[in-house]
Amino acid sequence: EVQLEESGGGLVKPGGSLRLSCVASGITFSDDIMNWVRQAPGKGLEWVASINGDSSHIYYGDVVKGRFTISRDNAKNSLYLQMNSLGAEDTAVYYCAREGGYCASDFCHLWFDLWGPGTLVTVSS
Amino acid sequence: QSVLTQPPSVSAAPGQKVTISCSGSSSNIGYNSVSWYQHLPGSAPKLLIYDTYKRPSGIPDRFSGSKSGTSATLGITGLQTADEAAYYCGTWDNSLIAPVFGGGTKVTVL
Repeated sequence: EVQLEESGGGLVKPGGSLRLSCVASGITFSDDIMNWVRQAPGKGLEWVASINGDSSHIYYGDVVKGRFTISRDNAKNSLYLQMNSLGAEDTAVYYCAREGGYCASDFCHLWFDLWGPGTLVTVSS
Repeated sequence: QSVLTQPPSVSAAPGQKVTISCSGSSSNIGYNSVSWYQHLPGSAPKLLIYDTYKRPSGIPDRFSGSKSGTSATLGITGLQTADEAAYYCGTWDNSLIAPVFGGGTKVTVL
């Protein structure tokens, strides 16, 4: 079965750290660009980070740059998100998502065609 | 505040049609294709429309996508109770150099 499954969420104090994992099954994981997308309570979706198949291209959203690190282990079909210096604004459900589409020099046709059910991260004292 | 603007909610009776708008700018929808996602609470978001109007395998043709200028629209015909969910639009933003999403629209079947 084709699926993504996140884990590692929980309650953490402000300033703390947490590492999220996402295990993929039924896909050729090493070929895929993977992303983390989050949704804060009552808010819309927010892209967090992306990583390509061989980890040579990694990008972050401005609000997490310098605090979060995305990585992957293709041998384990796993995606990770190391989150440091967490604040209340990082409270959200975190989803891993597979990216589809393509980008050219001045446009991008990009979508997320496979998502996990998410893992909740709560930052609170 | 989401980069793309969607109405918070829309509603209609079973069998009717709803449309959900997604408003952006020349740096995002105006230049790039749009995708749409259906999200039921506690479950994984599902891709409904990609490349503005294309449907992935298994998505019924009751769901349709279109775009005009800097706005996109998701249409749902023959509304069913199973369609009650939140719907999100997404695209790429050339200025932010990042994927962006709308704030979501809750569809209620009356």
